[in-house]
This record gives sequence, C-alpha cells and structure tokens, in this order.
Amino acid sequence: EVQLVESGGGLVQPGGSLRLSCAASGFTVSSDFINWVRQAPGKGLEWVSVFYSGGSTYYADSVKGRFTISRDDSRNTLYLQMNSLRAEDTAVYYCARDRGNRGRFDPWGQGTLVTVSS
Amino acid sequence: QSALTQPPSASGSPGQSVTISCTGTSGDIGAYDYVSWYQQHPGKAPKLMIYEVTKRPSGVPDRFSGSKSGNTASLTVSGLQAEDEADYSCSSYAGSSNWVFGTGTKVTVL
Repeated sequence: EVQLVESGGGLVQPGGSLRLSCAASGFTVSSDFINWVRQAPGKGLEWVSVFYSGGSTYYADSVKGRFTISRDDSRNTLYLQMNSLRAEDTAVYYCARDRGNRGRFDPWGQGTLVTVSS
Repeated sequence: QSALTQPPSASGSPGQSVTISCTGTSGDIGAYDYVSWYQQHPGKAPKLMIYEVTKRPSGVPDRFSGSKSGNTASLTVSGLQAEDEADYSCSSYAGSSNWVFGTGTKVTVL
C-alpha cells in the first residue's frame, strides 16, 4: 500500500525552528515528486514546496528563504526544515506524492499540526 | 501567486447535481491543463477526485466530472449523495514549478 506519514509538528515560539518528516512506504520517494501543502485553521490549502525526483527543489514565495526541503533516500523520507517561524505559518502540514509532476497529488499523509505562538 | 477563486458554499438535494467553479488567470488555469480537484471531509486529509481537468482516478465514482473553459475550471457532482458533503478544493499549475490551490467550497447535501 502506498502511504505517507508525517511527523514532527508541535508548538514553537515565533522565530523558532521545527523539522517535519514525511516517511513513505509502498513506493520510492526518489522516483516521484513529493510536495508539502499546508492548511491554516479554517482556511484553504496552500502549496509550500516540492522536491523533484531529479533533485531540484522549489518553494512558495511565502516560505522562500525560511524553509528547506530535503530528502533521505536511505530512509525513504522527505523533510521540511522550517526556520524563522511566524504566526502565519500555523497550519496542518501535509506531504503528498505527485506522479509525473502533473498536479496529481495522491496520496496525502494524515498531516501534522504546527502551531507558532508565544 | 494568488489563490484560485471558488464560491464559499454550494448545496443540493440528494439526487441533484451541483457545480463548483474555480477561477484563475491566464497564467495558471488558462495556460495549463493541470487542474485537479480534491475532496476533504472534516479532520481528514484531502482526497484526489479529478486530475488533468477531466480524468478520474480509479475508485472515484463517475458522478464526479471536471471541465475547463478559459480561466475557469468546474467540478460537477451528479446524483448527490450524503457522503458527498465535504469541502472541495481545486488546484492548478501556475508555472515556474509552482502550484496554486483554490479558496475551497463547502458542499452541503440538503
């Protein structure tokens, strides 16, 4: 079964850092495009970042320079390092596979909640 | 990149049809045939319902259909069922390796 499981969320103070993990099973992350998408409480989905199978990475303007996406092929896991966190980064963070980089986000993980507050 | 515009809510009685619009620009929906739709029940992760404008993943009922005209994409749910009550979001490729999602629509089955 193809599955993604996020972890690492929690409460962090403004300006702080957090690293999220996205562990994959049933497929190899290095052969697909893995995205991070977030959803603030009561709000819509927002695309955050993508790690291409070939190794390229891209970010939404709202997180560029603060967030870094990385991949550990030996662990079949993606990471999202989040620095200089702001209150507006508070959201549930999902990872999702996109086969062929055609916006076919499937499956999604269950999500992990990040709360930025003092 | 601005979010795609969706109506906040839509509703229909069981058996009826409901259509949700998703309006973007000539730089996203109007430029690419990479429009997807997601269903999300409260407290759950999104589920892919439509991709590449009109394609349905296996397991998704054919009551769900997608279309696009110009800068606007649409999702139609025919033969509404109680389990279709959920939030629906569209997404589109926006160029430069970026993706954009819609503002979301809550569908109520009356």
